[in-house]
Amino acid sequence: EPEVTQTPSHQVTQMGQEVILRCVPISNHLYFYWYRQILGQKVEFLVSFYNNEISEKSEIFDDQFSVERPDGSNFTLKIRSTKLEDSAMYFCASSARDYYGYTFGSGTRLTVV
Amino acid sequence: KQEVTQIPAALSVPEGENLVLNCSFTDSAIYNLQWFRQDPGKGLTSLLLIQSSQREQTSGRLNASLDKSSGRSTLYIAASQPGDSATYLCAVDSSASKIIFGSGTRLSIRP
Repeated sequence: EPEVTQTPSHQVTQMGQEVILRCVPISNHLYFYWYRQILGQKVEFLVSFYNNEISEKSEIFDDQFSVERPDGSNFTLKIRSTKLEDSAMYFCASSARDYYGYTFGSGTRLTVV
Repeated sequence: KQEVTQIPAALSVPEGENLVLNCSFTDSAIYNLQWFRQDPGKGLTSLLLIQSSQREQTSGRLNASLDKSSGRSTLYIAASQPGDSATYLCAVDSSASKIIFGSGTRLSIRP
């Protein structure tokens, strides 16, 4: 069964450093998403991406966050200057079409120290 | 603004029992509802997707129902097994750009 692949599985970074989280969505999917889950809390929406532009973003997705699809297969989330409160599990997801359901990756656990 | 609630927050039952997990949402204008399973520290595995025009979906021992007008969905697990222990999340698609998650039900099946 096709999978969404995320790398790395775990990343530790110092406060103020830039991090890039990487995702390879399912190859024929057109819609891409980032979510995050702070330990013990709900899964929260960050951003959706379609046709090489952001479709929607949440209040969490401020100027320190950016997304990019640099080639035909990768989808990245960049956090420019990490804060302690950015520590969370970050999930990438993709969907074939509107309303078709989402497939999630296994996540990247980001720890900011 | 869509809000999704799951009750109970935690549930512990002996192996072999049938059980029901509940999900409610405030805005009934949804496109679909998806149930996920999350093991501790792991990703989200899709279990069932119900489109707004459907009343239920089944996969093996799992059956999910949807009552859009009342803003409710249930996930029924038959003949529960210890391997079913996990957190179960429902997520609602009502904007075409994102899905909104409930906070989940943490299920423990006692051998």
